[in-house]
Amino acid sequence: EPEVTQTPSHQVTQMGQEVILRCVPISNHLYFYWYRQILGQKVEFLVSFYNNEISEKSEIFDDQFSVERPDGSNFTLKIRSTKLEDSAMYFCATHPSGRRADTQYFGPGTRLTVL
Amino acid sequence: GQNIDQPTEMTATEGAIVQINCTYQTSGFNGLFWYQQHAGEAPTFLSYNVLDGLEEKGRFSSFLSRSKGYSYLLLKELQMKDSASYLCAVSGGYQKVTFGTGTKLQVIP
Repeated sequence: EPEVTQTPSHQVTQMGQEVILRCVPISNHLYFYWYRQILGQKVEFLVSFYNNEISEKSEIFDDQFSVERPDGSNFTLKIRSTKLEDSAMYFCATHPSGRRADTQYFGPGTRLTVL
Repeated sequence: GQNIDQPTEMTATEGAIVQINCTYQTSGFNGLFWYQQHAGEAPTFLSYNVLDGLEEKGRFSSFLSRSKGYSYLLLKELQMKDSASYLCAVSGGYQKVTFGTGTKLQVIP
């Protein structure tokens, strides 16, 4: 069964550095999402992406964050000037259909640790 | 805004039935998801309800009442491996999905 994959599985960075988290969506999926989950807290929506542009974003997704699909396969989340509070699990999710909301398939996540 | 409430923890016995409730108040509604999340892992899709009523899928069933802002997840014939957090999530905006804090279910022998 096709899966969403994410790399790296764990990223350690120094405060103030930039990180890029990568996701390879399932090949025929159309909608892509990034979520984060701070340890012990709920999953939080960051951004959704469709047709090569952001379709919706949360108040968390400020100028520190950006997303792109640089080569038609990878879907990346860039976090500039990381802060301690950015430490969390970051999940990519995708869904296939033309409907706005549908079954979302989550990747295994990237654990980001900011020191 | 979006507000989703579900119990923090529940305990149930292996082989029994458990119902996990979720209430929501949202500014828009496209549908309601239930996800299972084991500790340290990604959420796994269980169900997606758009219309009122009960949807059954094996040992898992999900119910939705849009007029009451209420859903529940029913787990039958509980197994030890069902010990996990169960996340209620609402699609309320264009694509934004808002998650509840999750219900941690412990299944005991």
